[in-house]
Formats: sequence, C-alpha cells, structure tokens
Amino acid sequence: DIQMTQSPSSLSASVGDRVTITCRASQSFSTYLNWYQQKPGKAPKLLIYAASSLQSGVPSRFSGSGSGTDFTLTISSLQPEDFATYYCQQSYSTPYTFGQGTKLEI
Amino acid sequence: EVQLLESGGGLVQPGGSLRLSCAASGFTVSNNYMSWVRQAPGKGLEWVSIIYSGGSSYYAEAVKGRFTISRDNSKNTLVLQMNSLRPEDTAVYYCARGPSKRLLDYWGQGTLVTVSS
Repeated sequence: DIQMTQSPSSLSASVGDRVTITCRASQSFSTYLNWYQQKPGKAPKLLIYAASSLQSGVPSRFSGSGSGTDFTLTISSLQPEDFATYYCQQSYSTPYTFGQGTKLEI
Repeated sequence: EVQLLESGGGLVQPGGSLRLSCAASGFTVSNNYMSWVRQAPGKGLEWVSIIYSGGSSYYAEAVKGRFTISRDNSKNTLVLQMNSLRPEDTAVYYCARGPSKRLLDYWGQGTLVTVSS
C-alpha cells in the first residue's frame, strides 16, 4: 500500500497569511493526487485533483503542485472560512489512501 | 443537482451485520465510480471500498472478506453490506461519487455506525 504523510499535522495562521501544506508519498505515482477540505461535522469537499487542477467552484486562492512523491497545497491569502482540516489522497492504486490530515487553526 | 443520502447506520453488537445504503439523485450510480470512506470519531479519513462503473470492486485490507460493495440500479443506490463487525469499524461512513476512479467530487452527509456491546 502507498503511505501518505502530511506535514505539518497542525498549523496556526492568521487571515491573509500564505500557507503551504505538504504531502509525501511512500512511492512515486505521477500526479494522481487529490486535496480535500473538511470542516467539523461536515463531509469532505474536493479542492484539487490531479495534483494541480482546481475543482469547479473552488476559489483561486487554492492551488496545488507536485508530482512523483512530493506535493503541496497552497492557500495564497487565508480567509476566515478556510480554517479546517485538509487531507491529501492518492488515486494511483488501491487502496486509495489518505494522509493523516492537517488541521489549520487561527 | 447531484445529491447523496446515506442511511442504515446505528448501534450493532460485535460480530453483527449492518447494511448501509446511499441513495443518489442527479446522476446514474451505475455510470460512475462509487466509493465508501469512513472516519472514526476524532480521526482522519480512511478509504474503505470502490465499485467501478464496469462493476469491478476493491476493498481496504481492514474490511476485505467482511464488507461487500454493490449497486441497486433499479433504485439508483449504492450499498455496503457489513458483516462480522468489530469495535474498530465504529465510524461515520460516507458515500462518494467519482466521474473517474481518480477523484471523489460529491459526498453524502455520512451515517454513523457504532459497534459496541
């Protein structure tokens, strides 16, 4: 199985900050990497797919990059509604494993 | 509008069975890649299973041989049959749609399964 490791596990930031979350895979798989946002008590929401493609309706302050084993999610200017937990997921091979999550706090 | 509505969760004793359903609207379940993802209380997301549009299915090692994913095309519904349940299966179970096997673009609100004596 492919192991996904996110860093940091938690992050404190302020409105307007630029934030980067990293996801590292235990083996290389091109760009089969997604990012999801989850708020407390809610279902996850797809933000980025195929490492860098922005899902329809997602604000352009979210961006993704990377390939192989190292990927990043960047929020260019944090808004109050962005404080949530973020998960990466590889979609290269089953089981389609998730990272452990990064909790973004004020 | 795409909507997913899970049902069937509840309290069950260890070793028991439960059948989760996910009623879909706004799209055809059999034409998409449908998945189950779970989240234990206070924990992260765990991928459980997927059924491809062609009918192939895959499972996480933790549930293989105990859970079965299927579709009821007449009801446009995704199903997860869970047998031999264990306390570690306690979680909110989400169904999710993928236009391909590579992503999950719509999610249901989740249904809570509690395995406890």
